[in-house]
Amino acid sequence: DAMVIQNPRYQVTQFGKPVTLSCSQTLNHNVMYWYQQKSSQAPKLLFHYYDKDFNNEADTPDNFQSRRPNTSFCFLDIRSPGLGDAAMYLCATSELWALADYEQYFGPGTRLTVT
Amino acid sequence: AQSVTQLDSQVPVFEEAPVELRCNYSSSVSVYLFWYVQYPNQGLQLLLKYLSGSTLVKGINGFEAEFNKSQTSFHLRKPSVHISDTAEYFCAVISMNTGFQKLVFGTGTRLLVSP
Repeated sequence: DAMVIQNPRYQVTQFGKPVTLSCSQTLNHNVMYWYQQKSSQAPKLLFHYYDKDFNNEADTPDNFQSRRPNTSFCFLDIRSPGLGDAAMYLCATSELWALADYEQYFGPGTRLTVT
Repeated sequence: AQSVTQLDSQVPVFEEAPVELRCNYSSSVSVYLFWYVQYPNQGLQLLLKYLSGSTLVKGINGFEAEFNKSQTSFHLRKPSVHISDTAEYFCAVISMNTGFQKLVFGTGTRLLVSP
């Protein structure tokens, strides 16, 4: 089945130690998103890629970076994680302007713990 | 800018009872509306969406929602809930005036189904 895969599902990192979360998709969608979801809150968009074009949300901290080396993969890099960055990180994909389908397809998420 | 309000943060209900989760949106332009469900420690799964056409939308797992333009609402309903419906439900909107399909979420409603 076509899907969005996130690895790892659970990640523990130390305060200030860089960490990378990964996302892959078999849907061949041209847009990939990263969301941050803190406990009992709605997902918050950090940034998205439309093909290779990177689009940062205005309030996304510089501590968060992303890479999309090809259509299938997208990475979220947190350069110096703080305790406030502990959250679930969700990757999603969509096909921009696809007729009759504006759905975003979500991966299962990576829960990040910062110690 | 568009926004979504979910009036109830938590809705407790007994198994086999009907339920309605409320969602109101604000936007000055046409919108597309979505309901997503999130089970514990999982990603978001699309329940249903309204793009155009019939205002009564049927989704997966027996859920349906009705788009009411005059009341700017998109309430989610199910005639008889199961224990397995216990989850977080997010209403979301895409505004078509930004040139990009940004999904704006409500704060979520936790549905708690008890025996």
